[in-house]
Amino acid sequence: NAGVTQTPKFQVLKTGQSMTLQCAQDMNHNSMYWYRQDPGMGLRLIYYSASEGTTDKGEVPNGYNVSRLNKREFSLRLESAAPSQTSVYFCASKMREIPYNEQFFGPGTRLTVL
Amino acid sequence: AQSVTQLGSHVSVSEGALVLLRCNYSSSVPPYLFWYVQYPNQGLQLLLKYTTGATLVKGINGFEAEFKKSETSFHLTKPSAHMSDAAEYFCAVTTGPGNQFYFGTGTSLTVIP
Repeated sequence: NAGVTQTPKFQVLKTGQSMTLQCAQDMNHNSMYWYRQDPGMGLRLIYYSASEGTTDKGEVPNGYNVSRLNKREFSLRLESAAPSQTSVYFCASKMREIPYNEQFFGPGTRLTVL
Repeated sequence: AQSVTQLGSHVSVSEGALVLLRCNYSSSVPPYLFWYVQYPNQGLQLLLKYTTGATLVKGINGFEAEFKKSETSFHLTKPSAHMSDAAEYFCAVTTGPGNQFYFGTGTSLTVIP
């Protein structure tokens, strides 16, 4: 049982390049989330998918797109990377039907945009 | 809408001393409250959570937290700090299925030998 996995672990991009961050979970969770973590700002929600086939914007969606590929996988795409997107990105998942269930987090992707 | 405030972005304690990390929340409906810990270069892992019932909640590694509705607080404590407790701690709130988790800005705990 791997839990939540993320690839890649590290990435360096140049301004304007694109990339996709991959996330997968093997816990049969319905809901999945993408956060970014910046110093002094905690975790901010970028996008989430409450269930397969649905996605919604979070607090900071600009510059990102997401795809809920199937129940297991939720990807985050940067179409044209900017230095302001330098951050640590975390994927999380949760069992939707249990309201007080916690979110489970992946190990993170450390992205630097030059 | 919900929100979380963590007072003190950095807290230092001596090894063996009491750890107290503060969390206040804002919610118009009964909340579910969580404390997560993040060790360097790792993801977040759950320390403990409050759902309903007993207001004093015990978690892993000797941590506990008390839900105080009148004070809208959910402070995290540990009687005796250990060097391995050095990490970043996040408080979070949600109000149920389909609702987002709202995280505080985190408190970095340093344990001084």
